[in-house]
Amino acid sequence: QKEVEQDPGPLSVPEGAIVSLNCTYSNSAFQYFMWYRQYSRKGPELLMYTYSSGNKEDGRFTAQVDKSSKYISLFIRDSQPSDSATYLCAMSGGSNYKLTFGKGTLLTVNP
Amino acid sequence: EAGVVQSPRYKIIEKKQPVAFWCNPISGHNTLYWYLQNLGQGPELLIRYENEEAVDDSQLPKDRFSAERLKGVDSTLKIQPAELGDSAVYLCASSPGGGRGNTEAFFGQGTRLTVV
Repeated sequence: QKEVEQDPGPLSVPEGAIVSLNCTYSNSAFQYFMWYRQYSRKGPELLMYTYSSGNKEDGRFTAQVDKSSKYISLFIRDSQPSDSATYLCAMSGGSNYKLTFGKGTLLTVNP
Repeated sequence: EAGVVQSPRYKIIEKKQPVAFWCNPISGHNTLYWYLQNLGQGPELLIRYENEEAVDDSQLPKDRFSAERLKGVDSTLKIQPAELGDSAVYLCASSPGGGRGNTEAFFGQGTRLTVV
């Protein structure tokens, strides 16, 4: 079992839809949780950064962390065609601060 | 504020040739990472620096890969000799780090390597 599992999709939704992206993990030491957006042929762009459990909201984006279930989510409200990209979850914690990534979910928002 | 800068953006080389990638992290960021990203996969760590010290290089294929971070700022990743399987995107990232566990990492645009 990989440390971080992410549904690779692809996920296709109409413009304006609410999108839910999810990751599960197995390492209880993870404390820092991140979501990155990666456009084709670009580097990953940090969207959300959270520590421990709870919710964090930034505009149309909401990140949720449930450490008891080892489950994190990213919600995108009122999705736009410009949100079309690959979304990567990443996490770190314990004595080793390396980031461990999921495989990424390819999202397409259709106008 | 400038982000993480990488060069070159693209590189095509023949197998068995050497290649080097350069990274300039965000000013003041103590932690620097080199990641490898294959098509359709998430980035995988090659090496992590805290200032000029390589604190995690367990995933770096040391027979052909080397890295350095002089004066704890810029970093160079080298492959010698390159193999066909090294074709991938090489990403550099930096975070404030400093042992406080702050891994809010910011990435550069990456170098896309093609070995022919």
